[in-house]
Amino acid sequence: AQSVSQHNHHVILSEAASLELGCNYSYGGTVNLFWYVQYPGQHLQLLLKYFSGDPLVKGIKGFEAEFIKSKFSFNLRKPSVQWSDTAEYFCAVTSEAFGGFKTIFGAGTRLFVKA
Amino acid sequence: EAEVAQSPRYKITEKSQAVAFWCDPISGHATLYWYRQILGQGPELLVQFQDESVVDDSQLPKDRFSAERLKGVDSTLKIQPAELGDSAMYLCASSSGGVGDIQETQYFGPGTRLLVL
Repeated sequence: AQSVSQHNHHVILSEAASLELGCNYSYGGTVNLFWYVQYPGQHLQLLLKYFSGDPLVKGIKGFEAEFIKSKFSFNLRKPSVQWSDTAEYFCAVTSEAFGGFKTIFGAGTRLFVKA
Repeated sequence: EAEVAQSPRYKITEKSQAVAFWCDPISGHATLYWYRQILGQGPELLVQFQDESVVDDSQLPKDRFSAERLKGVDSTLKIQPAELGDSAMYLCASSSGGVGDIQETQYFGPGTRLLVL
């Protein structure tokens, strides 16, 4: 079955620490990749996306992600987190193989940044 | 900035009752999605519309769930009868992409949190 795996369910960091959240998917064909963020009490917002081209994509608020096709991965990074980055982060993959360009989401990683 | 609107934001109901959720997508967005997000999990697609037509409802429990988008704009998701296991966040999203357009970005509404007692 097609799946999207986020390796960590919970991550706790201190401010200024570096962040890397893992995301792997199980399909090897053409994919579109997304990271969404959900701040406390707010709705899902797009953080960044990869469709094609440069595999290193930059998003809002200093986040970036790297698409490594050979590893079926799309990990999210930020060099220095802030308290305001406390949120839940979802990786999502859209593929024709999922049936009609369906999007499958990972289970999410809840990030807590200590001030 | 245009947003996806959903109502109500919260709904408490008793099992076996009927509930309905409403979604108004971003103006001009042809594709509309309903997702269910159970606590601790990512959103799971229930149904996808392209204009007024259902594109994918393979994960929709059709014995109790129904969805419509009669004029191809706003949409209603209904559950009848509600069960305890239906307690979740119901999210609506929209995108401007059409069927077969893989390069589309979905924009999400605030969701309706349902609690079934």
